[in-house]
Amino acid sequence: DAGITQSPRHKVTETGTPVTLRCHQTENHRYMYWYRQDPGHGLRLIHYSYGVKDTDKGEVSDGYSVSRSKTEDFLLTLESATSSQTSVYFCAITRGLAVYNEQFFGPGTRLTVL
Amino acid sequence: AQKITQTQPGMFVQEKEAVTLDCTYDTSDQSYGLFWYKQPSSGEMIFLIYQGSYDEQNATEGRYSLNFQKARKSANLVISASQLGDSAMYFCAMRERTQGGSEKLVFGKGTKLTVNP
Repeated sequence: DAGITQSPRHKVTETGTPVTLRCHQTENHRYMYWYRQDPGHGLRLIHYSYGVKDTDKGEVSDGYSVSRSKTEDFLLTLESATSSQTSVYFCAITRGLAVYNEQFFGPGTRLTVL
Repeated sequence: AQKITQTQPGMFVQEKEAVTLDCTYDTSDQSYGLFWYKQPSSGEMIFLIYQGSYDEQNATEGRYSLNFQKARKSANLVISASQLGDSAMYFCAMRERTQGGSEKLVFGKGTKLTVNP
């Protein structure tokens, strides 16, 4: 257990509404990641953070923004949700940059955009 | 081009038998890491095993072992003595460096393993 929580765990929203997902960690890890999981695609990286206020884009970042104002929280925002953003979203942390350090995942957030 | 390829969308195995899940990867880095994760129907991602590119021996963790063939760029997961609880999706992933100096995991599309009693 890497002390990662995600909120909400489930959300249903309508197209065009803003949505913010929260990832919270309790172990002061520097590196945090947001992935989305869709059938047939595995997990794909949306955005990641390598420190407070330091973030960068992943391979599927269009339509998403992130913020990290403190170490423990990494927020993912959909400014105007679309049906294509219906997915399961996972937050992850890495305990260090050594090549053998695995990523630990949060429990996931299931988002449905109608 | 895919960096991680899992060619088996689904696999079936009898309880107590061994099964191999295939994974091939593509990288030009000399230093990299390969991971396997298990995702049961409950949805969480569970880390299983890791293999570093410089590791001379294949990684093992209990009933899990990684058949690492560097020249072939393959990192197959072997599960021995399958149990019903092994039924799940299995993802192969590779650590690669990002432009920002961090590292990220690139995932394959997964293999769904079903263990039959």
